[in-house]
Amino acid sequence: DIQMTQSPSSLSASVGDRVTITCRASQGISNYLAWFQQKPGKAPKSLIYGASRLQSGVPSKFSGSGSGTDFTLTISSLQPEDFATYYCQQYNSYPITFGQGTRLEIK
Amino acid sequence: QVQLVESGGGVVQPGGSLRLSCAASGFTFSSYGMHWVRQAPGKGLEWVAFIRYDGSYKNYADSVKGRFTISRDNSKNTLYLQMNSLRADDTAVFYCAKDRGAAAASGFDYWGQGTLVTVSS
Repeated sequence: DIQMTQSPSSLSASVGDRVTITCRASQGISNYLAWFQQKPGKAPKSLIYGASRLQSGVPSKFSGSGSGTDFTLTISSLQPEDFATYYCQQYNSYPITFGQGTRLEIK
Repeated sequence: QVQLVESGGGVVQPGGSLRLSCAASGFTFSSYGMHWVRQAPGKGLEWVAFIRYDGSYKNYADSVKGRFTISRDNSKNTLYLQMNSLRADDTAVFYCAKDRGAAAASGFDYWGQGTLVTVSS
């Protein structure tokens, strides 16, 4: 199975900040990488697929990059509604696997 | 707009069975692959199973293989998850999710709101 490791596991930031979350795959996954946002008690929401392609309706403040084993999610100009948990996911091969999540908290 | 509505969750004893449903609308259900994903209380996301658009291919996480069965009825726009031999560690919120593609995993785009399954005596 492909292991997905996110860093950091938690992150404190202020409104207006720009933050970056990293995701590393245990083997190459080309660009079959997605990012999701989840707020407490809610279903995950799709943000990015194909490592860098924005899901329809997602604001351009979210951006993704990377290929192979190393990927990043960047969120610019943080707003209160952006504080949530973020997960990466590889869908290059089965079983599909997720990172452990990064909890983004307000400083 | 795309809607996925799960149902069928509840409390079941260890060793028992439960069938989850996911009613889909707002898109051509028969043209897309579908997934089940679960989340244990306070934990991360775990992919459970995938089914191709026509039901001809299925794939499962090792943790549920042989106990869970994914299926679909394209005439009813509904996805199912039959869960047998349930264990305490199956306790989770179960989400259905739509794939972007038809035949192989191409990334998720929409998720349902989830249904809670609690396995307890």
